Amino acid sequence: DVKVTQSSRYLVKRTGEKVFLECVQDMDHENMFWYRQDPGLGLRLIYFSYDVKMKEKGDIPEGYSVSREKKERFSLILESASTNQTSMYLCASSLYGWGEMETQYFGPGTRLLVL
Amino acid sequence: KQEVTQIPAALSVPEGENLVLNCSFTDSAIYNLQWFRQDPGKGLTSLLLIQSSQREQTSGRLNASLDKSSGRSTLYIAASQPGDSATYLCAPNTGNQFYFGTGTSLTVIP
Repeated sequence: DVKVTQSSRYLVKRTGEKVFLECVQDMDHENMFWYRQDPGLGLRLIYFSYDVKMKEKGDIPEGYSVSREKKERFSLILESASTNQTSMYLCASSLYGWGEMETQYFGPGTRLLVL
Repeated sequence: KQEVTQIPAALSVPEGENLVLNCSFTDSAIYNLQWFRQDPGKGLTSLLLIQSSQREQTSGRLNASLDKSSGRSTLYIAASQPGDSATYLCAPNTGNQFYFGTGTSLTVIP
C-alpha cells in the first residue's frame, strides 16, 4: 500500500513565523502535490513537483515556497505566516501524473492555525 | 483551466436509500476521473478510478459512470448506510494535474 505521511496533524503558529510542512511518500512516486482546503473553496493546488528539485506553481502559490531535495520528500514553506493561511493542508503523490491508470494518494492532512 | 462542479452540495437521506452524486467538468480531454471520500478533518481516500476509455467502474455498493464527451460523471451508492456519511469529491485528471470539485456532503440518517 502506498503511504503518504505528513509531519504534523495539527499546528499552531504565530503571525510572521516561518512554517515548514513536511510530506513523505514511500512508493517512489515522481509527482508530489501540495493543496490547501477551505470550506466552500474545495482543494486548491499550491505547488507541485514532477522530479527532484523541480517545481511548478499551482493556482495559489503566493506566500508559499516548496523544496524537493529528495524524491520521497516534499516540503511546503510559509515564509512569513499570516492569518489568511489558516487552513487544512493536504499533500498527495502520484506515479507519473499522466496515463489512464494514474491515481493520486493523499496524506492525512495538517490543520494549521495562524494566530 | 478545468472547472469541476458537483451537485448537490449537500444531501441527507434515510438509511437504505439508493442515491446519485453528480460531477461535471469543462475539459473533456481527460486521462481518467477519480472519486474520493473525505471524512471530517481527514485526508482523501480513493474510492474508484474510471479510465477515459471506460464507461463504468464498480466497487461493492459503489458504481461510477463516465461520459467523457459530455463532461459528466456520476457516483451511484446503493443501499446507503450511516457509515457512508462523508464528503465525496470527484477529480478529473487532465495531465499531471488533478482538478477537484467542492464535493457533495452526504449524511445518511439511521
